[in-house]
Amino acid sequence: NAGVTQTPKFQVLKTGQSMTLQCAQDMNHNSMYWYRQDPGMGLRLIYYSASEGTTDKGEVPNGYNVSRLNKREFSLRLESAAPSQTSVYFCASSLTVTKGYTFGSGTRLTVV
Amino acid sequence: DQQVKQNSPSLSVQEGRISILNCDYTNSMFDYFLWYKKYPAEGPTFLISISSIKDKNEDGRFTVFLNKSAKHLSLHIVPSQPGDSAVYFCAAPETGTYKYIFGTGTRLKVLA
Repeated sequence: NAGVTQTPKFQVLKTGQSMTLQCAQDMNHNSMYWYRQDPGMGLRLIYYSASEGTTDKGEVPNGYNVSRLNKREFSLRLESAAPSQTSVYFCASSLTVTKGYTFGSGTRLTVV
Repeated sequence: DQQVKQNSPSLSVQEGRISILNCDYTNSMFDYFLWYKKYPAEGPTFLISISSIKDKNEDGRFTVFLNKSAKHLSLHIVPSQPGDSAVYFCAAPETGTYKYIFGTGTRLKVLA
């Protein structure tokens, strides 16, 4: 099925380790986003890419970097993981702002 | 400053009755609103939207009402079914950007 694919689904990291969360969409959407979901905090935007070749910070960008590799792929990198980055991460894409987002199924990350 | 607020973290309703989920916003420039539904271990999925030029939008059992003067919207589910048990997020696009701002979510439990 067409949609947004995130890998991995689960990951446990030790403090200080690095990793990259992968996201790909096959809907030819222009914009892509990374959110984190924490209890009582809702969905908070980490970074987004309005179009291929551009990236911008969201509400909570500290400790993360992103790459918009091409129109399909948008990766999120944690250079030195911290326990505060334990969360569920969602990638999303959209064609236009009024069409809303299509979300991936999420990556549950635990940093110990 | 939270621009989109869902003040009820949880709601329990009997099957067959009406569920009313509320959302308040602070930015009068918001002109479009969406509701998303999220099941455990899945990404949020689009449910229903409303433009600020309307005060009501209906899709089957789901109706969203918008009161611009009160900066308030609500999602009505009639009749509620056990399969509606999920977390519901309201969201609005930040004016002039591609970013959606999400509320903190309301967990709905429909009791059989």
